[in-house]
Amino acid sequence: DTGVSQNPRHKITKRGQNVTFRCDPISEHNRLYWYRQTLGQGPEFLTYFQNEAQLEKSRLLSDRFSAERPKGSFSTLEIQRTEQGDSAMYLCASSPRTPQGETQYFGPGTRLLVL
Amino acid sequence: GQSLEQPSEVTAVEGAIVQINCTYQTSGFYGLSWYQQHDGGAPTFLSYNGLDGLEETGRFSSFLSRSDSYGYLLLQELQMKDSASYFCASHTDKLIFGTGTRLQVFP
Repeated sequence: DTGVSQNPRHKITKRGQNVTFRCDPISEHNRLYWYRQTLGQGPEFLTYFQNEAQLEKSRLLSDRFSAERPKGSFSTLEIQRTEQGDSAMYLCASSPRTPQGETQYFGPGTRLLVL
Repeated sequence: GQSLEQPSEVTAVEGAIVQINCTYQTSGFYGLSWYQQHDGGAPTFLSYNGLDGLEETGRFSSFLSRSDSYGYLLLQELQMKDSASYFCASHTDKLIFGTGTRLQVFP
């Protein structure tokens, strides 16, 4: 395992459709994070898990967004009834133990375009 | 609120030295990281400061002053491949990123 992987890398969908993204963290990392990044901006925190527990959700994460990490390994991020404003790069990162002083390693991201 | 401010753009020539500043206002702060991101790519970790002072990693160094809520990234012996966006990020229980500084290196 050489890094964080995300699938798909690109997704084009029509407004109103549901989409699901997957993130596979580095295997020994127990923390997993989701961020969203739009053009010209820094990544914005969405949510994070420690093992299978979802510990925090940003207020950016509307009720159309849901994330799971059922076995404490891979995670999925689902967006229901997509809107054009959801178009962005969705980044996943993982870190070992706690984030104090621990580096977060990012995956390549999933670029979503909502038409 | 939580915010980190960086200059939007910096330009330099190959071989030069540049400093990218970051001022922050975040609660629960315990460290500052720097990430590099090339166009279309993912953020890549460069450096972390958990204590005041200078951390050196090859051509890159990073500095933190907690009393001033300020840090910087110093890039030496610039190369064309250093052209990218650079983000400071504060560590709380998650990362809070600045808006990024676009560095353009010219020959």
